[in-house]
Amino acid sequence: GQNIDQPTEMTATEGAIVQINCTYQTSGFNGLFWYQQHAGEAPTFLSYNVLDGLEEKGRFSSFLSRSKGYSYLLLKELQMKDSASYLCAVRDLGDYKLSFGAGTTVTVRA
Amino acid sequence: DSGVTQTPKHLITATGQRVTLRCSPRSGDLSVYWYQQSLDQGLQFLIQYYNGEERAKGNILERFSAQQFPDLHSELNLSSLELGDSALYFCASSEDRVGSSGANVLTFGAGSRLTVL
Repeated sequence: GQNIDQPTEMTATEGAIVQINCTYQTSGFNGLFWYQQHAGEAPTFLSYNVLDGLEEKGRFSSFLSRSKGYSYLLLKELQMKDSASYLCAVRDLGDYKLSFGAGTTVTVRA
Repeated sequence: DSGVTQTPKHLITATGQRVTLRCSPRSGDLSVYWYQQSLDQGLQFLIQYYNGEERAKGNILERFSAQQFPDLHSELNLSSLELGDSALYFCASSEDRVGSSGANVLTFGAGSRLTVL
C-alpha cells in the first residue's frame, strides 16, 4: 500500500460519534485494517475489510469502497478511553506485511 | 497480553553502540515483522521473516540486520547507532500459513523503546 492518507487529529465530545477517513492507493488491494494505539503502547487490531461495505463490531464500524480507494472508521458513543491514535493500514496483493498511514489522534473531551 | 513478547522494554545507549532487540511470536505464528515508530511518525516496515527465512524487506538501513531462529523467535540488531535511531521498535507476528484465508491479522508486541544519547 502506498500513499495512505488520514487526518492528523480529530476532537469529539464524550457520547458523540466520530468518523475517521482513510484514502489509499495500491497496485493490488488485499485488505484494509484499522488499529488502535494508545500513546507508547502496542497497536491493537480493530477491524478488517476486504470486500466493499460496512463491518460492524460493537461501537466500532468500518466501511470500505475499493473503487474509490476509501475507508472510514466510525466510533459511536465515544468514551474517554477511546482517546488514542487510529491507524489505517493496507495490504497489497501478494504481500503479507501491512503499510500504515501516519495515524489519526482522536481526543475525547468530557 | 497479546502473546508477542519483546525484550528489553526500554534501552538507553550511546551513539556508535550496538544493541539487539528480541521478539518471541505468538504460539503457532510463523511470521515475524519488525516495525520502527519514531516520535510523531507512523509505523515504518523494516523486515519480515517467515519460518526462518527472510520474506520481505522494507526501509531497513544497512546498519540494521535481523534473523529468525528455528524456534521462531527473532532478533533485530542495530549497530553504529545514531541519535535518529531513537524510536519504538515493534515486533508483530501472524499465522501466514499456506492456504489459509481470512484477515491474517498482525498481532503486535509491547515494543522496545530505544533511546540513543
